[in-house]
Amino acid sequence: DAMVIQNPRYQVTQFGKPVTLSCSQTLNHNVMYWYQQKSSQAPKLLFHYYDKDFNNEADTPDNFQSRRPNTSFCFLDIRSPGLGDAAMYLCATKGGFSSYNEQFFGPGTRLTVL
Amino acid sequence: AQSVTQLGSHVSVSEGALVLLRCNYSSSVPPYLFWYVQYPNQGLQLLLKYTSAATLVKGINGFEAEFKKSETSFHLTKPSAHMSDAAEYFCAVTINNNDMRFGAGTRLTVKP
Repeated sequence: DAMVIQNPRYQVTQFGKPVTLSCSQTLNHNVMYWYQQKSSQAPKLLFHYYDKDFNNEADTPDNFQSRRPNTSFCFLDIRSPGLGDAAMYLCATKGGFSSYNEQFFGPGTRLTVL
Repeated sequence: AQSVTQLGSHVSVSEGALVLLRCNYSSSVPPYLFWYVQYPNQGLQLLLKYTSAATLVKGINGFEAEFKKSETSFHLTKPSAHMSDAAEYFCAVTINNNDMRFGAGTRLTVKP
């Protein structure tokens, strides 16, 4: 089945220790997103790629970076995680440049910062 | 700017009762609206979407939603709640070709 895969599902890191979260997709979608979701809140968009074009949200901290080496993979790098970065991180994809196309979500990576 | 507001952060129903989750939208152009469901420690799964083809949209798991322009609403309903419906539900609107904005979410509890 075509899908969005996130690894690992659970990640524990130490305060200030860089961490990378991974997302891959078999849908061949142009657009890939990273969201941060804190407990009992809506997902908050961090950034997205349209093909290789990177689009950063204005309020995304510089501590968060992303890479998309090819269509299938996208990475979220947190350079110096703080306690406030503990959250669920969701990857999503969308095919094409149409407003009515839905986003497909992966299962998420839950990040714990000690 | 397009946005959605979900009324009620928590909704509790008895098993077999009607489920009604409320979503109102604000948009200067015809909106594209979505309902997603999220189970604990999972990603979001699309329930249904409105793309102007029909005002009554049927989705998965017996859910449906009706687009009412006069009320700027897109409420989600299910005639008979099941225990497995307990989850967080998000209403969302596309704000440009690529971005989507979510409501704050409604947590549905189903009592036996």
